This record gives sequence, C-alpha cells and structure tokens, in this order.
Amino acid sequence: AQKVTQAQTEISVVEKEDVTLDCVYETRDTTYYLFWYKQPPSGELVFLIRRNSFDEQNEISGRYSWNFQKSTSSFNFTITASQVVDSAVYFCALSEARGGKLIFGQGTELSVKP
Amino acid sequence: DTEVTQTPKHLVMGMTNKKSLKCEQHMGHRAMYWYKQKAKKPPELMFVYSYEKLSINESVPSRFSPECPNSSLLNLHLHALQPEDSALYLCASSQRDYNEQFFGPGTRLTVL
Repeated sequence: AQKVTQAQTEISVVEKEDVTLDCVYETRDTTYYLFWYKQPPSGELVFLIRRNSFDEQNEISGRYSWNFQKSTSSFNFTITASQVVDSAVYFCALSEARGGKLIFGQGTELSVKP
Repeated sequence: DTEVTQTPKHLVMGMTNKKSLKCEQHMGHRAMYWYKQKAKKPPELMFVYSYEKLSINESVPSRFSPECPNSSLLNLHLHALQPEDSALYLCASSQRDYNEQFFGPGTRLTVL
C-alpha cells in the first residue's frame, strides 16, 4: 500500500530562517511520482514540484529546494530565508504511474513570523 | 488561460436541496478530478475523469453524482446531503492522469 508521512504537524520560524519540511513515502511501485503542494489560508492548492521516481536529481527554484533520496524514501523540501508569505500548509503527495490518484501526507503547517 | 475555475465559491444548502458545483479549465487537460477536504485534513480523492470517462470512484455515496459534459467541464451534482458533507470541494485538472494536477480555488459547502 502507498503511504506518505509528514511527521511535522506544525513548524514555527522567524523570518529569514531556513526551514526543512520532511516527507517520507512508502510504495511497492518502481515507477511513481512525488509532488509538493502549498495551501495558503485562501484554500487553493498550489503546485510546487513533481519528481519522477527515476530522476533523483535535486532541484532548486529560487528560495525553494528539494532533496529526493530513494535510499531513504524521502523527498524533503527546504525554504531558504523564509518570508511571511511562505506561511501555509504544505502537502507532500505520491501517485502511481497511471490513474491519477494522489496520496497526500497529513500536511505541515508552516508559520513564518516577522 | 492557465487556471481552473470553480463556481460557486460558497454554497449553503439544506438536506433536501439539489445543487450543483461547476468546474472549468481551458488548458486542454484530459483528466479532471473532484476532491473533498475537511478542515485541518489533506484532500481526499472522490472521482477521476480521464478523457471524459469516469475512471475512479472512491466509493463515494450516491448522493454525490459527477458529470463530465465535455473535456473542459466537470460538474458535481448534490442531492440529499448530510451535515457531515460540509467541506471544501476542490476540482483539479491535469494533462493526463499521471501528470501534476492543478487545483481550483474550491467551493466551501455548508449543509444545514
């Protein structure tokens, strides 16, 4: 069975601190996809990144970076120099190769204080 | 046009009412989804349409009835709902059913 675990329920940081959100997944599939989504207080889920199981390259996009490690089944997300606008709930998700079913983690609520 | 739109934004209905939620995308995506999200919880998949055909129904009660009239539109018909059905209903679309999903702003539903 597929499962995504985000052990950190809530994180609170002060602006400009770096913060890492952890994501651990379980799957028996050899081909799968990993995602991160941001959900600000307004409610809309915003797509951040997709990673294929056969591509372990880390990715950086501005202040955001992602570390994918198949050996530890982890797909962690780091925000560098956090800002108040980063305050949101962040979801890590996993999907099979076909079908479209996203398995979400429970989410991590990030609060960035000025 | 790179967004998914949903109407209405808010809906209050009684348990005997019939209402519909509407979702639209003009990105040429061939997969569309309905999710239900309760407060402080992750979204839960309800239905998946792929090429306008229902491909996944996550054992959703029959009081929720999806419809995909064409590749750009997705409806969710509601009838005889219960108060516990009150939630944020999110629509999403993706190019194919294995691509990243783009979400609409949601409809906040309250059942009295």
